Amino acid sequence: EAQVTQNPRYLITVTGKKLTVTCSQNMNHEYMSWYRQDPGLGLRQIYYSMNVEVTDKGDVPEGYKVSRKEKRNFPLILESPSPNQTSLYFCASSYQVLYEQYFGPGTRLTVT
Amino acid sequence: AQTVTQSQPEMSVQEAETVTLSCTYDTSENNYYLFWYKQPPSRQMILVIRQEAYKQQNATENRFSVNFQKAAKSFSLKISDSQLGDTAMYFCAFPDLEYNAGNNRKLIWGLGTSLAVNP
Repeated sequence: EAQVTQNPRYLITVTGKKLTVTCSQNMNHEYMSWYRQDPGLGLRQIYYSMNVEVTDKGDVPEGYKVSRKEKRNFPLILESPSPNQTSLYFCASSYQVLYEQYFGPGTRLTVT
Repeated sequence: AQTVTQSQPEMSVQEAETVTLSCTYDTSENNYYLFWYKQPPSRQMILVIRQEAYKQQNATENRFSVNFQKAAKSFSLKISDSQLGDTAMYFCAFPDLEYNAGNNRKLIWGLGTSLAVNP
């Protein structure tokens, strides 16, 4: 089954404790992206990747890191999480940036 | 700058009736895709329908269809025979085509329309 998977689905952590949210797709897509979704602000792009070893900042990259060492994986790293990073996070992938994106199930992150 | 506007923050419809969600966008490009996504209470983002701008025929997927007016830059979603499972947030989106060194490669999203289907 073609899909995008994310783990964990829910995470409660404390300020400053490094965490990684994994994302994997099995569709051989070149483009992958991370979003955060907050009430009233819609979907905002954090980072994206056009292909392996090619990543770039989105609209709200501060406090986040990513890597793309393999085509299928695109982890999101929060080196020192803060409460303002409490949000719903989505990973998405697509064949190319101009095409429809397929989303993972989301990760609900709470930073206390 | 390219933008997407969904002017109806909330809508409601009775089960089995038809509802239309509006979306307008702004771009100077000619060839692009437009998308409607659905986000039910489970929070999963689901692609509902895709329209290719170079095609004059409106896209249809079962009970979902679009009214694409390219000149007016309008891309509305019509849901026929509404079902309780259609209750969700609906987002309109299209790719950022005016790429330059200062822009991101991304989809541009509207803020969504919350649709409630009432029994």
